[in-house]
Amino acid sequence: GAGVSQTPSNKVTEKGKYVELRCDPISGHTALYWYRQSLGQGPEFLIYFQGTGAADDSGLPNDRFFAVRPEGSVSTLKIQRTERGDSAVYLCASSLDSDTQYFGPGTRLTVL
Amino acid sequence: RKEVEQDPGPFNVPEGATVAFNCTYSNSASQSFFWYRQDCRKEPKLLMSVYSSGNEDGRFTAQLNRASQYISLLIRDSKLSDSATYLCVVSPLGGGYNKLIFGAGTRLAVHP
Repeated sequence: GAGVSQTPSNKVTEKGKYVELRCDPISGHTALYWYRQSLGQGPEFLIYFQGTGAADDSGLPNDRFFAVRPEGSVSTLKIQRTERGDSAVYLCASSLDSDTQYFGPGTRLTVL
Repeated sequence: RKEVEQDPGPFNVPEGATVAFNCTYSNSASQSFFWYRQDCRKEPKLLMSVYSSGNEDGRFTAQLNRASQYISLLIRDSKLSDSATYLCVVSPLGGGYNKLIFGAGTRLAVHP
């Protein structure tokens, strides 16, 4: 079956611009996670959704970052006023309740 | 201090060698433990869960020592296809979900 998909696969933007990153989880998975992976580091937790609600957003670095999941399926991570330090691979994962998390291929964000 | 610490490597080993990776974690309340594998420019994929009793999956053996807060992964009879980064992962498993905390990863290169 289809895995987690993320679009775009690559995004290049300029400092100060707004970006949206999309995640399509595995069908039927209730839990959805966003992580960020910088070069040479492991993924870092950003936010977790159970259904439509953000159950834990403690990993969001600041108020420029926001994520939604309005219908409990697709999620969008939104970054305002991007900074060069936001450059990273943004990974989405989904799971059935607290079961194994399956990761998408990621969106590579480059802020110039 | 990072929550999960790993030797970054790289470990360069010949085919057929046995190699061991170690990892320590700082949060004694951690409840779940995993090893993930990540190929270059790909998403992390679950290799195996780690239990206190130790567990084995083919050529891979994982061990957990809760008292020392130490996790290990042993790979026997290394194959070229084992070349990847191995991520040590812990989770608090609180609130019915797995917020994964990743180490920075240990890189393995298996050569002919």
